[in-house]
Amino acid sequence: ETGVTQTPRHLVMGMTNKKSLKCEQHLGHNAMYWYKQSAKKPLELMFVYSLEERVENNSVPSRFSPECPNSSHLFLHLHTLQPEDSALYLCASSQDRVAGAWNEQFFGPGTRLTVL
Amino acid sequence: AQSVTQPDIHITVSEGASLELRCNYSYGATPYLFWYVQSPGQGLQLLLKYFSGDTLVQGIKGFEAEFKRSQSSFNLRKPSVHWSDAAEYFCAVVWMDSSYKLIFGSGTRLLVRP
Repeated sequence: ETGVTQTPRHLVMGMTNKKSLKCEQHLGHNAMYWYKQSAKKPLELMFVYSLEERVENNSVPSRFSPECPNSSHLFLHLHTLQPEDSALYLCASSQDRVAGAWNEQFFGPGTRLTVL
Repeated sequence: AQSVTQPDIHITVSEGASLELRCNYSYGATPYLFWYVQSPGQGLQLLLKYFSGDTLVQGIKGFEAEFKRSQSSFNLRKPSVHWSDAAEYFCAVVWMDSSYKLIFGSGTRLLVRP
């Protein structure tokens, strides 16, 4: 595997379910990100991890719970979601979290989440 | 407030025609500028980026973009579009004073007529 991978690619869940999204990066990066992409809205940054420490929580509801057990893996735990949470959830990674010429963010293919 | 505007939601061009996708940003700090492309069912792929130096930057797949500070713009261009360029294109900006926060425009969907 190369780059950034995400599983599952598609997920349908009820409002009372608990599920998790997984992201793995094979690039040796130190920073990882979760984004939400809803129809007709710009990508929204949700969480940022740097060296496994959460450095950003962009006013995300507590029904979304991130976890970063090591610098290669990032999870998004979901519980009691709402239908408006249906979206494409994208994971990204970068060398570190400081803006710079070298610090491109690499994106995974996303998980398409549908909440019924 | 920091914002990125892509005024065109959809653009349709004929194959072989030239293309220009618009991007404007607001905020006064020095920007780092990016264009990403997203094909259906895929994540975002970086086309090109601008940090400093020559204001005309070349990217992958024959794309280029020009940074115009006086107009707060970073428009993406391609001289001859191919059917495989049909996708959604996102402009994104990081401002020097906001570290890693990549602010995205709402995207422009490109359709290519045969």
